Amino acid sequence: EAGVAQSPRYKIIEKRQSVAFWCNPISGHATLYWYQQILGQGPKLLIQFQNNGVVDDSQLPKDRFSAERLKGVDSTLKIQPAKLEDSAVYLCASSRKQGSGANVLTFGAGSRLTVL
Amino acid sequence: RKEVEQDPGPFNVPEGATVAFNCTYSNSASQSFFWYRQDCRKEPKLLMSVYSSGNEDGRFTAQLNRASQYISLLIRDSKLSDSATYLCVVNFRSANNLFFGTGTRLTVIP
Repeated sequence: EAGVAQSPRYKIIEKRQSVAFWCNPISGHATLYWYQQILGQGPKLLIQFQNNGVVDDSQLPKDRFSAERLKGVDSTLKIQPAKLEDSAVYLCASSRKQGSGANVLTFGAGSRLTVL
Repeated sequence: RKEVEQDPGPFNVPEGATVAFNCTYSNSASQSFFWYRQDCRKEPKLLMSVYSSGNEDGRFTAQLNRASQYISLLIRDSKLSDSATYLCVVNFRSANNLFFGTGTRLTVIP
């Protein structure tokens, strides 16, 4: 099966600019996640979608970050305005809703953001 | 206290050695446990799930101790290709909400 697709792979912006990342999960995976991974740390959950509804966005900095999954398939994560501390890899992952493998995440290759 | 805690290492071991990593978790109601592997500048990939009775996959053995709230990963006969960061993952709050530890870096030396 095709994996989780993410773009762009790399992005360099200046602080206070905006950036958007796109993710297309594995076909049929109802749950989609955005994680932020800062260098030397484990991935931190930003937001979790079940189909097109938000399950958990408690760790999303809502003053500058937003995410949507309008049709329950692909998703966009936006940062506006960016800060230096937003430099990280943004990982998208998907999983099945239920059944075998419901808790198993498949990650995309990530989008590496550098904020100057 | 963090939801999931790991010793970041690094662990530097010779080829053929046995190495073990531990991970502690804070939520006693957690039900799902995993080890993921992350190679340098790559995405995490599932290594193995951790079951209550413990489970083995080739040279890898995972154990769960619910009373002490920790999970472990044992790697026997280490290979150079085992060099990576090993991430402990535990569910929290809901069945599909997973928290990652900071990862333990392993380097296997020739």
